[in-house]
Amino acid sequence: QKEVEQNSGPLSVPEGAIASLNCTYSDRGSQSFFWYRQYSGKSPELIMSIYSNGDKEDGRFTAQLNKASQYVSLLIRDSQPSDSATYLCAVNIRKRADSWGKLQFGAGTQVVVTP
Amino acid sequence: NAGVTQTPKFQVLKTGQSMTLQCAQDMNHNSMYWYRQDPGMGLRLIYYSASEGTTDKGEVPNGYNVSRLNKREFSLRLESAAPSQTSVYFCASTIARGDTQYFGPGTRLTVL
Repeated sequence: QKEVEQNSGPLSVPEGAIASLNCTYSDRGSQSFFWYRQYSGKSPELIMSIYSNGDKEDGRFTAQLNKASQYVSLLIRDSQPSDSATYLCAVNIRKRADSWGKLQFGAGTQVVVTP
Repeated sequence: NAGVTQTPKFQVLKTGQSMTLQCAQDMNHNSMYWYRQDPGMGLRLIYYSASEGTTDKGEVPNGYNVSRLNKREFSLRLESAAPSQTSVYFCASTIARGDTQYFGPGTRLTVL
């Protein structure tokens, strides 16, 4: 079992619709969760960080965390063609006390927003 | 404020050649990281430096060495390049372990 799993996609979303991305993780002790966006040929850039159970909203983006079920999701409302990118889920995996600060990345979900 | 910078942006090596990838950050971050990204594999940690003067292995350290030159700079060295090291390399930094990591623009390396 991979430590962080995402559907690879592509996830095709009509313009204006909601894109829903899911990520599951294996370490129950994880405390920090991040969503990065990566355009083709570019470096990852942070969209959202979430640390507590529940929802966190920032503009058109909402991150949802459920530690009991070990999943974190990202919703993109009113999807735009500029949202077409690969979205990486990252989880702070803490196997031992000294592993704090090492992010484990999922392979990413490719999102394609169609006009 | 340039953030995280990496040099070079592109590099082509022949098998057996050596090279050093440079990374620098001007955000006064304590921790720095080197990742490689391959299609379908996501980002994999090569080495990291939790603080100045310390380095530690990540998930895929074989064939690489690192140096934390000072708080700002963290270099990655390939002593004898192999085709399997063809990849995109990203440097990242964070103010504190467990916090958001900020990425450099990447180095695209091809080993023939």
